[in-house]
Amino acid sequence: QVNLLQSGAALVKPGASVKLSCKASGYTFTDYYIHWVKQSHGKSLEWIGYINPNSGYTNYNEKFKSKATLTVDKSTNTAYMELSRLTSEDSATYYCTRHRLRRGLDYWGQGVMVTVSS
Amino acid sequence: DIQMTQSPSFLSASVGDRVTINCKASQNINRYLNWYQQKLGEAPKLLIYNANSLQTGIPSRFSGSGSGTDFTLTISSLQPEDVATYFCLQHNSWPWTFGGGTKLELK
Repeated sequence: QVNLLQSGAALVKPGASVKLSCKASGYTFTDYYIHWVKQSHGKSLEWIGYINPNSGYTNYNEKFKSKATLTVDKSTNTAYMELSRLTSEDSATYYCTRHRLRRGLDYWGQGVMVTVSS
Repeated sequence: DIQMTQSPSFLSASVGDRVTINCKASQNINRYLNWYQQKLGEAPKLLIYNANSLQTGIPSRFSGSGSGTDFTLTISSLQPEDVATYFCLQHNSWPWTFGGGTKLELK
């Protein structure tokens, strides 16, 4: 079955960076784009961007272009998102999610909570 | 960006009730609208894709309708396990955008 397993919660200092991981299993990793979504305060959801694991092509929400960097490692079926220059506004739960063509986002990782605090 | 206005924000209903949740897009998104259920502490789960297609494994009491700018999620007979927050997502145009969510509780 499709599974997206995300790395554990992170506590990071303001100004630092953090790299989140998302390991895919149960399907052919290179056949589906991986998207990342931010959920703040347990409520609102924001689309960050996506990466094509086959080509490495990325497409970002303008709002997150200078904040997030998406990469993949095809050898381990793992997608990564690095968040840089962290502030309290970046404290949130981040999800990786799979994009099924013409169906939008189908499977989601369990989410990872990032807390930015000194 | 396309704005997705979801209503109501909060809904209280009884077991067996018919429940409807709405999403309105600020411009035409054709039928590229998905509905998700998120239980407390869990990841969102896809219920309906492309406005009215039921995701595999989802109970038939969930249904979706609409096209263009106005969409509806209907739960035909509310069950206790349906207590959750529901979100819509438009995947017609970049950047993809979500509705603000509807928190559904039992009366």
